[in-house]
Amino acid sequence: SQQGEEDPQALSIQEGENATMNCSYKTSINNLQWYRQNSGRGLVHLILIRSNEREKHSGRLRVTLDTSKKSSSLLITASRAADTASYFCATESNYQLIWGAGTKLIIKP
Amino acid sequence: NAGVMQNPRHLVRRRGQEARLRCSPMKGHSHVYWYRQLPEEGLKFMVYLQKENIIDESGMPKERFSAEFPKEGPSILRIQQVVRGDSAAYFCASSPQGLSNTGELFFGEGSRLTVL
Repeated sequence: SQQGEEDPQALSIQEGENATMNCSYKTSINNLQWYRQNSGRGLVHLILIRSNEREKHSGRLRVTLDTSKKSSSLLITASRAADTASYFCATESNYQLIWGAGTKLIIKP
Repeated sequence: NAGVMQNPRHLVRRRGQEARLRCSPMKGHSHVYWYRQLPEEGLKFMVYLQKENIIDESGMPKERFSAEFPKEGPSILRIQQVVRGDSAAYFCASSPQGLSNTGELFFGEGSRLTVL
């Protein structure tokens, strides 16, 4: 069954703006990960945040995790056209990754 | 260090035929995961294998689907007597250790199966 659910399902913003995507999950987790998938390609790992962490940064990416609300957010700052992709959260529990349906992000030039 | 290699990238089969999808994990990785993805959807777990062992096949249909990861050679996902509903992208991912230790998975580019 689906564990993570992202919202919004789709997001279209102007280049240079910030993009925020959210992920909610149901059960306890060891960590939560965000991946990017360009159209027709495989998934690329972006960032992992462990259950005892609250915030993590990597370049233009900022991830937060609120275990009390069972939610996470991914912020992409100063978006670029190359950020156009689908973004998935995945929660790790008991050696399995369980995936949400993704947020489709479109960056308009 | 080559990434996860999947082949074929695209496969067309008629109903009733067999589909064999291959995955070579990254060098040094002994854990392989197969996922299925339908258009506009997330990944659905199918099977988790280590060398010569199936660790978890709870996501794989009981009939027509099988997977192996032999001591030598790539991991194979085999679908017998394919039906139209098997049309999907099948992704393989690998990790050097189990997920609970390392977290991150490395994905191949996927094999896109179309059943006519």
